[in-house]
Amino acid sequence: RKEVEQDPGPFNVPEGATVAFNCTYSNSASQSFFWYRQDCRKEPKLLMSVYSSGNEDGRFTAQLNRASQYISLLIRDSKLSDSATYLCVVNLDNDMRFGAGTRLTVKP
Amino acid sequence: GAVVSQHPSWVICKSGTSVKIECRSLDFQATTMFWYRQFPKQSLMLMATSNEGSKATYEQGVEKDKFLINHASLTLSTLTVTSAHPEDSSFYICSARWAGANVLTFGAGSRLTVL
Repeated sequence: RKEVEQDPGPFNVPEGATVAFNCTYSNSASQSFFWYRQDCRKEPKLLMSVYSSGNEDGRFTAQLNRASQYISLLIRDSKLSDSATYLCVVNLDNDMRFGAGTRLTVKP
Repeated sequence: GAVVSQHPSWVICKSGTSVKIECRSLDFQATTMFWYRQFPKQSLMLMATSNEGSKATYEQGVEKDKFLINHASLTLSTLTVTSAHPEDSSFYICSARWAGANVLTFGAGSRLTVL
């Protein structure tokens, strides 16, 4: 079983749609969680950290479910500029592990 | 904010030559740097983790004699791909983290093409 698993997609959604991605992790002792965004041929950039209580940043909402060992990312009112690959990152004792990424394409 | 500079951004070389990629933290001391490889349409694959002043820790399946990593200072790590072959063609990305932080800052990546 992979340490961090994501649905690779692709998710193709129209502008304005709401889309959600999930990510599961295998080690229950994992300490911190993040979503990164990677545009084609670019480096990943931090989108948001994921807190136990859930957190929101504009149209983006991240949730953590420790009991089921998954994190989620919800994007509301999708924009064309949201098209990218979204990477789930899990940290355990300073060892950061990446999911394979979920590819999102937002279409006009 | 934290910035990591990676150089060169792209390089084309002949098979059998060695290529060095540099990763510099510009405004913080990077106690730990990570090197990744990414093939087209695939995820980042961690190659190795390097802590300043000590030997890098390589992931399983990554040849340490082929991918030489040096992290001699708190602001610079280098990856040297020795005797490069076409199958080494990939996008190599570094990331850095300062002591106590759990957020990574990435370099812009280096695209290597081996002819």
